[in-house]
Amino acid sequence: QKEVEQNSGPLSVPEGAIASLNCTYSDRGSQSFFWYRQYSGKSPELIMSIYSNGDKEDGRFTAQLNKASQYVSLLIRDSQPSDSATYLCAVNSEGNTGKLIFGQGTTLQVKP
Amino acid sequence: GAGVSQSPSNKVTEKGKDVELRCDPISGHTALYWYRQSLGQGLEFLIYFQGNSAPDKSGLPSDRFSAERTGGSVSTLTIQRTQQEDSAVYLCASSGLAGGPWLFFGEGSRLTVL
Repeated sequence: QKEVEQNSGPLSVPEGAIASLNCTYSDRGSQSFFWYRQYSGKSPELIMSIYSNGDKEDGRFTAQLNKASQYVSLLIRDSQPSDSATYLCAVNSEGNTGKLIFGQGTTLQVKP
Repeated sequence: GAGVSQSPSNKVTEKGKDVELRCDPISGHTALYWYRQSLGQGLEFLIYFQGNSAPDKSGLPSDRFSAERTGGSVSTLTIQRTQQEDSAVYLCASSGLAGGPWLFFGEGSRLTVL
């Protein structure tokens, strides 16, 4: 059974701090990795994708991938109250498709 | 359309009844996916359609669940003889002009089975 694990949180950080969200996955053959943001009562929205070991930066967001450790993380710099949401880690193991395995999500609270 | 459209947004039904949920993907997207999100659970893959290929039904939880996609566009997810454990938000997503793993989700259909 392929699994994606996240700490459900809530993770609470003060405004302006760095939020660090972590995810581990079980399938060593996984090829692509995604972070989705889901506001309460809304649908998930793709914010980052990463395919190679190392860091990928997009604005205030940095995704980090370590395939040897089967570990993916998302850093949010200068956290804002508007970043308060549930962050879903998702892993693709079947070619170039959107058939993804999702973690249960980490709830982030950014306090003003 | 501009985004993935789903209907109904909310559906309350009695145990044992059949329900149909509809999804209209982003225009031109060739791949369409159905996921389910139960309270406190992560998103669970159900089924996906890619172009004219046979759908991947590997995530459907039982034979009470079925889906079809007509004309390569609109899709309907049907749940027969609904059970209370079917209560969830059913999310439809479509992906890119050439398929690919980047999903754009609709707002979902919340199903409550009494």
